[in-house]
Amino acid sequence: NAGVTQTPKFRVLKTGQSMTLLCAQDMNHEYMYWYRQDPGMGLRLIHYSVGEGTTAKGEVPDGYNVSRLKKQNFLLGLESAAPSQTSVYFCASSYSTGQNSPLHFGNGTRLTVT
Amino acid sequence: GEDVEQSLFLSVREGDSSVINCTYTDSSSTYLYWYKQEPGAGLQLLTYIFSNMDMKQDQRLTVLLNKKDKHLSLRIADTQTGDSAIYFCAESLLYNFNKFYFGSGTKLNVKP
Repeated sequence: NAGVTQTPKFRVLKTGQSMTLLCAQDMNHEYMYWYRQDPGMGLRLIHYSVGEGTTAKGEVPDGYNVSRLKKQNFLLGLESAAPSQTSVYFCASSYSTGQNSPLHFGNGTRLTVT
Repeated sequence: GEDVEQSLFLSVREGDSSVINCTYTDSSSTYLYWYKQEPGAGLQLLTYIFSNMDMKQDQRLTVLLNKKDKHLSLRIADTQTGDSAIYFCAESLLYNFNKFYFGSGTKLNVKP
């Protein structure tokens, strides 16, 4: 099993450009998440999904949109990139049932906005 | 939101024990997790403890939970240079199992 796969691994954008980050998981997990990681700030939740066709806002959703058209995929979109969105983005997934459902993470996408 | 705090840095010598500490504020935590992040990689689950336990041991790793003080620690025995990484503690909550709150991470530096 590949687990959680993120593409691309690196990207440089100019201010105002748009892009989509793709996350795919092959563990049949219901829940999927997008986090951003910034130095000294840990991980902050951007958006999450509790199942195919559903999405919800996390802690820092502004400037991002998401879609979950298929259970195994969770897309994160930046419509008009800003330098403040320079970060490392992590996708994660987990089971929906059971009390112990740890997050499984992808290897991250490093995004630089100039 | 919930507050999970960790010290930012820890430096130890190879062969010594490392103790990484974490405090949290929400007493309705169910599971508390430790994740390890190596450079350029995602977070890897190391171990976890259920909130009604005080201690859990897994090979070189010992997790201690003090519910009264809302304090969690991770002890790594016989620390190796390969243990150098950032360690995150995280909690999931009783009323929302699939919401996780992370600390800012502790960077462990192991000197040969």
